[in-house]
Amino acid sequence: DSGVTQTPKHLITATGQRVTLRCSPRSGDLSVYWYQQSLDQGLQFLIQYYNGEERAKGNILERFSAQQFPDLHSELNLSSLELGDSALYFCASSAGTSGGGREQFFGPGTRLTVL
Amino acid sequence: AQSVTQLDSQVPVFEEAPVELRCNYSSSVSVYLFWYVQYPNQGLQLLLKYLSGSTLVKGINGFEAEFNKSQTSFHLRKPSVHISDTAEYFCAVRSLAGGSGAQKLVFGQGTRLTINP
Repeated sequence: DSGVTQTPKHLITATGQRVTLRCSPRSGDLSVYWYQQSLDQGLQFLIQYYNGEERAKGNILERFSAQQFPDLHSELNLSSLELGDSALYFCASSAGTSGGGREQFFGPGTRLTVL
Repeated sequence: AQSVTQLDSQVPVFEEAPVELRCNYSSSVSVYLFWYVQYPNQGLQLLLKYLSGSTLVKGINGFEAEFNKSQTSFHLRKPSVHISDTAEYFCAVRSLAGGSGAQKLVFGQGTRLTINP
């Protein structure tokens, strides 16, 4: 158990809908990262937050947005869903930002299926 | 931009045999390198990491990896595998993105290791 929790575990929805994925980082971790894992694209970085502020953006679509709240949990919002958004979405957390070797601890993921 | 190439998408091995999973990276600056393992229906777990110092890094579950700067490689090895090592293995490099504090990982496509009895 990494200490990172994600809800829900599975999500099935229809095209055009909007969903929210939730992540609680390990206790004390200030950084939260979101990754998407799909068969065709592999594991791709979406976005990073540190202590409530956006720090880095990757291949995140404009239909997607995220935020980190004062209690440090994070939410990833996916809207106008398309079939191609079906994937496993991981959240990871790390202790801070100084020192490049800080380990990122991954949650179990949310499997999103868009029908 | 940094990139990671895992040269084998699938590696079948017999139990108790040695295994090497290959990883090459490209970068114009110094990097930190990681190997993660993903068991079926689970998240990613860190096996080992290279930050600096000794080029031979030992990790959990008997795995080790060797950093070779001249060949820009970070191959993962285990001298004797077990059925429980069946999983997907990901090599990753830490990329500086967006200035200080950004620590995104760039992953390879993964190598599926299958251990046969």
